[in-house]
This record gives sequence, structure tokens and C-alpha cells, in this order.
Amino acid sequence: TQLLEQSPQFLSIQEGENLTVYCNSSSVFSSLQWYRQEPGEGPVLLVTVVTGGEVKKLKRLTFQFGDARKDSSLHITAAQPGDTGLYLCAGEGRAGTYKYIFGTGTRLKVLA
Amino acid sequence: NAGVMQNPRHLVRRRGQEARLRCSPMKGHSHVYWYRQLPEEGLKFMVYLQKENIIDESGMPKERFSAEFPKEGPSILRIQQVVRGDSAAYFCASSNLPPADTQYFGPGTRLTVL
Repeated sequence: TQLLEQSPQFLSIQEGENLTVYCNSSSVFSSLQWYRQEPGEGPVLLVTVVTGGEVKKLKRLTFQFGDARKDSSLHITAAQPGDTGLYLCAGEGRAGTYKYIFGTGTRLKVLA
Repeated sequence: NAGVMQNPRHLVRRRGQEARLRCSPMKGHSHVYWYRQLPEEGLKFMVYLQKENIIDESGMPKERFSAEFPKEGPSILRIQQVVRGDSAAYFCASSNLPPADTQYFGPGTRLTVL
């Protein structure tokens, strides 16, 4: 069974600080998605990474897919209160499957 | 805005009643997925449907749960004789050309069973 573990589970930081969230597995994923979910809403896709070692940037967010495609990280620079939310990673097992496997999430709170 | 729509957003049922959750996919999408999110847990895949076909229901409990996606109208997730353990957020996602296409999620239906 493929599992995705996210760490930390909870993170509370001050505005302006940097942070990194990790998504790890012992399994290989053909692609990995990062979502942000706000209370009472559905997950909103932030990025998809496909190639081992791939780095993608979205404003102050930097996403990296591990070389072996078993892990990923999300780094936020100069966090802002608007970054508060639940960050979820989701992996696609075999290429072409549709059963996303979700991590348990990292709940981030950025204090003003 | 032609995003994924789900209704109702909140649903309260007493034990033993039926719950019907609806999902209208994004315009142009003909593939629908249902996920369940228990409190403090990640989303778990339940079922994948195309128009008039169930493709994969391996994540759905064998009893009391059923799903359909008719030719016309929204996809329906139906839970019969609900129990307290069914309380969760149920999310629907849709995509255009799976299996290699991004899934876009709706806002979810929060089911509370009293």
C-alpha cells in the first residue's frame, strides 16, 4: 500500500518567517500534486511535479520533487497570514492511474 | 465560474436515514471522482465514474454506499441507513481526459449524522 507522510503536522509561525513542509513515501510516484485547503472548502491545486529533481516556483512558494520521485517539499519564503491553511500532497501511483493518494496534511498558521 | 459544484454544502441526518450528495463537474468534464475526508485525516478515494459507468469503486464500502453519474444531471453519492461513522466531508473532483489529467475539487458536502 502506498502511503504519504507529511511533516510537520502542525506549524505556527510569525509573519515574515520561512518554512518547509515535507511529503515522504517509501513508494515511487509518477507525479505529485500539492494542494491548499481552507476551512470549509475543497482542496485547491497549487502545482504538479512530474520529473525527478524538478523544481517549480509559484511566487513565494517553491516546490521540489525528489530525485527518486519518493518525496517532495514545499518551501514558503516570507510567510504571510494569507498562507494559512491545510497543505496536502497527493501522489499518483502508476502513471495513468487516477487514485490520488493523499497525505494527512500540514496545518499552517501564520500569525500577523 | 464553471467550477465543480456540490450540494448541499452541509447535510444533517439521523441514524438510519438516507443521505444523497450531488456533484456537478466542471463544464466539459466527463469524469468524476468521490473522496471522503474524516476529521484530521487526508482524503481517501472512494469511486471513479464516467458518464453512465462506474469505472472503479474499490474505495467505497461494500454496503450502504452507491454512486451514479447519469447521462444527464449531476453525479450522486448515496448513503443508505447512515451511521455516526459516516460523518465526514465528502469531496467530488472532476477531470477532462484521464487518466493523466488534473483533478479539480469541489467545495465538499459536510455530512453530520446525529
